[in-house]
Amino acid sequence: GAGVSQSPSNKVTEKGKDVELRCDPISGHTALYWYRQSLGQGLEFLIYFQGNSAPDKSGLPSDRFSAERTGGSVSTLTIQRTQQEDSAVYLCASSLGSAEPTEAFFGQGTRLTVV
Amino acid sequence: AQSVAQPEDQVNVAEGNPLTVKCTYSVSGNPYLFWYVQYPNRGLQFLLKYITGDNLVKGSYGFEAEFNKSQTSFHLKKPSALVSDSALYFCAVRGGPKGGYNKLIFGAGTRLAVHP
Repeated sequence: GAGVSQSPSNKVTEKGKDVELRCDPISGHTALYWYRQSLGQGLEFLIYFQGNSAPDKSGLPSDRFSAERTGGSVSTLTIQRTQQEDSAVYLCASSLGSAEPTEAFFGQGTRLTVV
Repeated sequence: AQSVAQPEDQVNVAEGNPLTVKCTYSVSGNPYLFWYVQYPNRGLQFLLKYITGDNLVKGSYGFEAEFNKSQTSFHLKKPSALVSDSALYFCAVRGGPKGGYNKLIFGAGTRLAVHP
């Protein structure tokens, strides 16, 4: 596609429910990144993919968080048993390759609210 | 381990004056350095990058940044600030062994406020 697409743009869920956030990267981009941003704050690294593998998932806050990428394209970030502290904007970015000196392009994010 | 520091939470500058937003980094190997801007309720937009070559790089909207290897810094600059430059600015770094797969790490962000 023309840009990084994330869905849904907004998600309100009840505490304890599971949620899935989707990221569709720019076509041909092999690297994909997930970040979390609390209101007006910095970007917290969660995980990145090179192709379908995740060389670094050190940023995932707990075992309630998981992510996968299939076909070297779409990625899904899953949060199980959501908690109120999970409320944030989840940002996805993609780039040509994580070892390439190219910039990453960001989607508009998914705003998650846990009530 | 990779890290990025933006020592100022906020920078205030009068319109027409020069601005500087500071960034220092720590990374093994040669760094790839980036600046992004985030306007309210909008996604992150790429401004400029340093990969190799000239230490002074120019980017979008009249911004430029100077890479200083000895000081491990990559400060963002603009000769004359505009009120419309008011936004949240992020510095980011990738680095590591050549050919390795490296994550992209961001600083905490600096809020730039340009006053008329």
